[in-house]
Amino acid sequence: GQQVMQIPQYQHVQEGEDFTTYCNSSTTLSNIQWYKQRPGGHPVFLIQLVKSGEVKKQKRLTFQFGEAKKNSSLHITATQTTDVGTYFCAGPNNNAGNMLTFGGGTRLMVKP
Amino acid sequence: EAQVTQNPRYLITVTGKKLTVTCSQNMNHEYMSWYRQDPGLGLRQIYYSMNVEVTDKGDVPEGYKVSRKEKRNFPLILESPSPNQTSLYFCASSLAAYYEQYFGPGTRLTVT
Repeated sequence: GQQVMQIPQYQHVQEGEDFTTYCNSSTTLSNIQWYKQRPGGHPVFLIQLVKSGEVKKQKRLTFQFGEAKKNSSLHITATQTTDVGTYFCAGPNNNAGNMLTFGGGTRLMVKP
Repeated sequence: EAQVTQNPRYLITVTGKKLTVTCSQNMNHEYMSWYRQDPGLGLRQIYYSMNVEVTDKGDVPEGYKVSRKEKRNFPLILESPSPNQTSLYFCASSLAAYYEQYFGPGTRLTVT
């Protein structure tokens, strides 16, 4: 079945360092979504990418959708303690319509 | 305020005792779904509903039931809970399957 893999699973950074999480799908995706889950909280939608090669920015966060629409990345510049949480990517499940498949998530920890 | 509510937030129960977790949204969303979150496995979809009276199995439906009698409500039913259903459960709603998902606060279930 379709798989969506995220790496790394965990990342510790010093405050001010950059951070990147990568999302790879076994199949081509029509779009990809990114979510952030704070410790003890629920996932919150960040952004959706639709076009091949698309790049979108939200302040210090840069999201990219690969040319082949099988991979995506989220890059955070100069991390802050408020960036702590788990970041998930999600894409439509090509094998089962109307479902989203989530990656396993990348847990970001920021040392002040 | 646009929101998804879940009840209860925490539940400890024993094997075999039927339980229901309620989910309600006030955004008039067509699409609703249930996820379970387990360490290292990300979010896995249990069931989803495209509209009233239309429900479909997700990736991990065994041991669960759902119903969608009204647009705003989508309860999750565990007829005979077992310890392997101990997990964090999230309800989510959206305009349609591949749109931004709005998650509820989560229900932490422990089955002993």
